[in-house]
Amino acid sequence: GAGVSQSPSNKVTEKGKDVELRCDPISGHTALYWYRQRLGQGLEFLIYFQGNSAPDKSGLPSDRFSAERTGESVSTLTIQRTQQEDSAVYLCASSPDRESYGYTFGSGTRLTVV
Amino acid sequence: LAKTTQPISMDSYEGQEVNITCSHNNIATNDYITWYQQFPSQGPRFIIQGYKTKVTNEVASLFIPADRKSSTLSLPRVSLSDTAVYYCLGTGGLDYKLSFGAGTTVTVRA
Repeated sequence: GAGVSQSPSNKVTEKGKDVELRCDPISGHTALYWYRQRLGQGLEFLIYFQGNSAPDKSGLPSDRFSAERTGESVSTLTIQRTQQEDSAVYLCASSPDRESYGYTFGSGTRLTVV
Repeated sequence: LAKTTQPISMDSYEGQEVNITCSHNNIATNDYITWYQQFPSQGPRFIIQGYKTKVTNEVASLFIPADRKSSTLSLPRVSLSDTAVYYCLGTGGLDYKLSFGAGTTVTVRA
């Protein structure tokens, strides 16, 4: 598509439930990133995918967080047993390759855990 | 990654030039300076990148002095729609983990 698409745009869930967030990168972009942004704060790196290489999961805050990507297409970020501190905007970005800093971000998924 | 420091907020009026200075004293030789803009409820948007001297595009200009310890993003003749958060990042080599701080909130008033 023309840009990075994320769904849902908003998600309200009860504490303890699992949620799945989806990211459709720009076609042909081999690199895909997930970031988390808490209210009024900067972006926090979560995970990075590059082609068929093993993902860099070093930013995932706990083992409740996981992400998958099929080839160079869609990625899903899953948060299990959500907690209130997971409330944030989850942003996905893609770029043509790992050395390209012209990232294109999606509009994010606003997650609210109640 | 280079650590960057920038003002928390800046206020301006329509038609004025806004200059945001970012400090990056420990920038590495192969680091670039990259600026992103973020509007409410949107992801950040790449606006400009430079290594040294001056870079200009349709959105902004970026001035980087010879010592590269700081840089200035210049937004000419701002409008209300330029109200956003602006992030300065040091980006280099194969380090893809962009480090976004709190950024500078620019508020443009009529």
